[in-house]
Amino acid sequence: GENVEQHPSTLSVQEGDSAVIKCTYSDSASNYFPWYKQELGKRPQLIIDIRSNVGEKKDQRIAVTLNKTAKHFSLHITETQPEDSAVYFCAASIAGSARQLTFGSGTQLTVLP
Amino acid sequence: GAVVSQHPSWVICKSGTSVKIECRSLDFQATTMFWYRQFPKQSLMLMATSNEGSKATYEQGVEKDKFLINHASLTLSTLTVTSAHPEDSSFYICSARDRDFYEQYFGPGTRLTVT
Repeated sequence: GENVEQHPSTLSVQEGDSAVIKCTYSDSASNYFPWYKQELGKRPQLIIDIRSNVGEKKDQRIAVTLNKTAKHFSLHITETQPEDSAVYFCAASIAGSARQLTFGSGTQLTVLP
Repeated sequence: GAVVSQHPSWVICKSGTSVKIECRSLDFQATTMFWYRQFPKQSLMLMATSNEGSKATYEQGVEKDKFLINHASLTLSTLTVTSAHPEDSSFYICSARDRDFYEQYFGPGTRLTVT
């Protein structure tokens, strides 16, 4: 089955700096890669996603890049703000009828004011 | 749009009793629903996948007789934790997906504490 590795497990940045979180996946059949933000005790919220036919996607301060050859994808957050502090999870999904998500282990992002 | 609700939001039960958790898609037809378990400071672990009208598919290591899943309609799936034990205490989260879309939408989660 699919295996997703995520690094780093914790990341502290100063407000206004950029944050980068990286993930690798094992199954070349994966074709959908969402990123979720989860605050303590809350549901995961989709913040951005990318499909395998695209190399990069941007939404305001958030961007995701995908390297299919190397099987890795990254989340980039620019101009970080304290409210960006949360746990971020990457995930990968293999094409098919169910499209289960396999999650990375998570990154605790702390933005210091 | 794409709202998923979950009930109850938290529950405390005694060891040996059963607990039912409901997951509803409020504004779309959820052809597939997923149940996850999340322990503190850990990632989401998929427990099972259910398609409307058919039996759930359980992940390796998840006891299907202990975690009963029913997906009787396109808007409702239930997870029943039978004969709960303290080690079943966790945050249970459902998600739902429409057949035609990639995205999964998550419910708010249910905090289960077994005493």
